[in-house]
Amino acid sequence: GAGVSQSPSNKVTEKGKDVELRCDPISGHTALYWYRQSLGQGLEFLIYFQGNSAPDKSGLPSDRFSAERTGGSVSTLTIQRTQQEDSAVYLCASTPTNRAAEAFFGQGTRLTVV
Amino acid sequence: QQPVQSPQAVILREGEDAVINCSSSKALYSVHWYRQKHGEAPVFLMILLKGGEQKGHEKISASFNEKKQQSSLYLTASQLSYSGTYFCGTEGGANSGYALNFGKGTSLLVTP
Repeated sequence: GAGVSQSPSNKVTEKGKDVELRCDPISGHTALYWYRQSLGQGLEFLIYFQGNSAPDKSGLPSDRFSAERTGGSVSTLTIQRTQQEDSAVYLCASTPTNRAAEAFFGQGTRLTVV
Repeated sequence: QQPVQSPQAVILREGEDAVINCSSSKALYSVHWYRQKHGEAPVFLMILLKGGEQKGHEKISASFNEKKQQSSLYLTASQLSYSGTYFCGTEGGANSGYALNFGKGTSLLVTP
């Protein structure tokens, strides 16, 4: 079956513009994560959705970042007034259950803010 | 809440062994290990649940010491295909949050 799909794969935007990144998780997966990976850095946790529970937003770096997950499926990560330091690869992952389950990653969106 | 990995980088010759360590300051429910090759998405290796179990995956195995909140990944008789960045991910206990948090990774290069 299809894996986690992210779009766009690459995005170049001007500083100050808003961007939306999309993630289509594997069908039936209840948990969805967003991570940010900067050059040579680890996987920085951003936000975690689990079923109908309130999302864990503890990793969002500023109020310019927000995310939503509609109908327990597709998720959108929005970055407002982008800054150059937002340049990174944004990875989405989904898991079939909320605990101790393999995370399936998408190929990521490479965001470049110029 | 981010686990700490060590070492940051390892260079091996083919056939040599390596150990990658992961430690956390919080009580853990599980530890995950993933490998990421350059330009690709991370790929799952294994999960260890609290209970101190050890799991194996061909010549790659791992242990989890719940009391010390530490996990180690063991790569034996390394192959060229083992090259990549290894990440440990941790899920906390009931009072530590459930989100899967990853360390900064360990870069492993296996040379001929």
